[in-house]
Amino acid sequence: TQLLEQSPQFLSIQEGENLTVYCNSSSVFSSLQWYRQEPGEGPVLLVTVVTGGEVKKLKRLTFQFGDARKDSSLHITAAQPGDTGLYLCAGAPGGFKTIFGAGTRLFVKA
Amino acid sequence: KAGVTQTPRYLIKTRGQQVTLSCSPISGHRSVSWYQQTPGQGLQFLFEYFSETQRNKGNFPGRFSGRQFSNSRSEMNVSTLELGDSALYLCASSLGSSGGSGTGELFFGEGSRLTVL
Repeated sequence: TQLLEQSPQFLSIQEGENLTVYCNSSSVFSSLQWYRQEPGEGPVLLVTVVTGGEVKKLKRLTFQFGDARKDSSLHITAAQPGDTGLYLCAGAPGGFKTIFGAGTRLFVKA
Repeated sequence: KAGVTQTPRYLIKTRGQQVTLSCSPISGHRSVSWYQQTPGQGLQFLFEYFSETQRNKGNFPGRFSGRQFSNSRSEMNVSTLELGDSALYLCASSLGSSGGSGTGELFFGEGSRLTVL
């Protein structure tokens, strides 16, 4: 059972387009993290959201935590080829081991 | 400060052999977690160590084991290798156990890519 469901699984867009990636669960999380992973490397932490309804911005990336702390979204404005990668959401349900969603593989074409 | 270091980066083994992977966490981090990443299953949690104690364990067979040393460095071992063990093995360090205080943010190494022939 995948506790963190990510959608879409794959996204291929043109440079300059906007996109949103979703991370959903039926469980409540005290916090959720978003990571980006490039081929041949480990995931790199982008952001942590903690408070229900919280919105965080990282340049062209906007992260939101759902009011009930069961879901999160990542919105990228004016995507660039450098945004290409695997985007992963993660959290520790019940405060124990950190689990990951299956990821959204993003490809931005120049 | 130095990041998480994993060795070796690449290795090739044959079925039935065993392998040991090493991870040096960020200085001051006491928690080390191990994950297996495959295209079909994504990132799967193996185990977590905190202050030399295994705090959490994933659903992997007993062939997968690990340990943590007093300097927080960690090793994982896979015995009697199977073809399906081919994967990227990732180590992540954090300040504290995910079961404890903090937000559970993980800092990953570049991984050890294991190929079993």
